[in-house]
Amino acid sequence: AQTVTQSQPEMSVQEAETVTLSCTYDTSESDYYLFWYKQPPSRQMILVIRQEAYKQQNATENRFSVNFQKAAKSFSLKISDSQLGDAAMYFCAYRSAGSNYQLIWGAGTKLIIKP
Amino acid sequence: DSGVTQTPKHLITATGQRVTLRCSPRSGDLSVYWYQQSLDQGLQFLIQYYNGEERAKGNILERFSAQQFPDLHSELNLSSLELGDSALYFCASSVAGAGGRETQYFGPGTRLLVL
Repeated sequence: AQTVTQSQPEMSVQEAETVTLSCTYDTSESDYYLFWYKQPPSRQMILVIRQEAYKQQNATENRFSVNFQKAAKSFSLKISDSQLGDAAMYFCAYRSAGSNYQLIWGAGTKLIIKP
Repeated sequence: DSGVTQTPKHLITATGQRVTLRCSPRSGDLSVYWYQQSLDQGLQFLIQYYNGEERAKGNILERFSAQQFPDLHSELNLSSLELGDSALYFCASSVAGAGGRETQYFGPGTRLLVL
């Protein structure tokens, strides 16, 4: 069974600085998708970024980028120029490309932005 | 706004009772997913429907059931409620659900409190 691990329960960063959130996963599959979702205090689950395992190139979305290391089964999220609005819980999630469509979630990392 | 709507936003009920949570997917999305987010178990996949039919089942209790109607909205029924069922219940939708690249977009959630 696939598992997702986020080893940092909490991270803090100074506003305008860069922070990296870690995520590792375990799978025997070769084709899958990885996601980062953000959950602000409103509890809404918001997609931040997505990575297809078959793509070598790391995904980027404005200030958000990932470092996808397939062999190491690592999928970290880098937030550049951190803003107060980035304060939230961040969840890493895995989805098989096969017949099992559910998202498998990490425990989450709470990101605190210091003004 | 993801385009996925959930009602009600909050629900307070007593042990032993039954409640129904409702979800309307984004326009054009055929798949609906239900997730439970609780303090002790994190985010867990419950069940998926695709175009009216059950597609995948996760850690859904026998006391819980769901269905998707011809207009594609979905309902999650929780019965014989226990204190431990208190959680945030998310609905997500995606275009197809047949594997592939589509991303799941989440509704705002229904917060259930069982007293």
